[in-house]
Amino acid sequence: DVQMTQSPSSLSASVGDRVTITCRASQSISKNYLNWYQQKPGKAPKLLIYAATSLQSGVPSRFSGSGSGTDFTLTISSLQPEDFATYYCQQSYSTPQTFGQGTKLEIK
Amino acid sequence: EVQLVESGGGLVQPGGSLRLSCSASGFTFSNYGMNWVRQAPGKGLEYVSGIGGDGGSTYSADSVKGRFTVSRDNSKNTLYLQMSSLRAEDTAVYYCVKDGGSYRFPPQIFDYWGQGTLVTVSS
Repeated sequence: DVQMTQSPSSLSASVGDRVTITCRASQSISKNYLNWYQQKPGKAPKLLIYAATSLQSGVPSRFSGSGSGTDFTLTISSLQPEDFATYYCQQSYSTPQTFGQGTKLEIK
Repeated sequence: EVQLVESGGGLVQPGGSLRLSCSASGFTFSNYGMNWVRQAPGKGLEYVSGIGGDGGSTYSADSVKGRFTVSRDNSKNTLYLQMSSLRAEDTAVYYCVKDGGSYRFPPQIFDYWGQGTLVTVSS
């Protein structure tokens, strides 16, 4: 299985901050198969970015993704109050599709 | 509007069985692979099972292989997960999830998620 490791596991930040979350795969994966999700407490995950860089319809442009090979990043350019949540990366390059352990973004 | 509504969760004893259902609407169900992803309390996400649009291809994680069976009824726009020999470690919220692309399996993108149904395995 491809292991996905996110860093940091938790992060405290303030409204307006620029935040970057990193996701590392245990083997090289095509950027077409790396996705990011946001989950708020008690809610289902929501797709934010697919194929490493493509913004899902309706997702604010302050979210962006980048990366290739084994290293990928999710960036929030200017944190808004509604962005405090847990973020997961996920690879679909090989089955089973696997998720990172999550990064919890908290208000400082 | 895509809607996925799970049902069938509840409390079951170890060794017991349960069948989850997911009723889908707002898209051509038979064109899309469908999946189950679970989340244990306070934990991360685990891909459990998936099935292609025509039901001809399926996948089950090693952790549930031989115990869980995924199926679908395209005439009813419904996805199922039959769970047997349940263990405490199967306790989780189970999400029904749609693939973002049509006519493909395995899935690449989980674009719509249901609200989840809680399965608790305990005596």
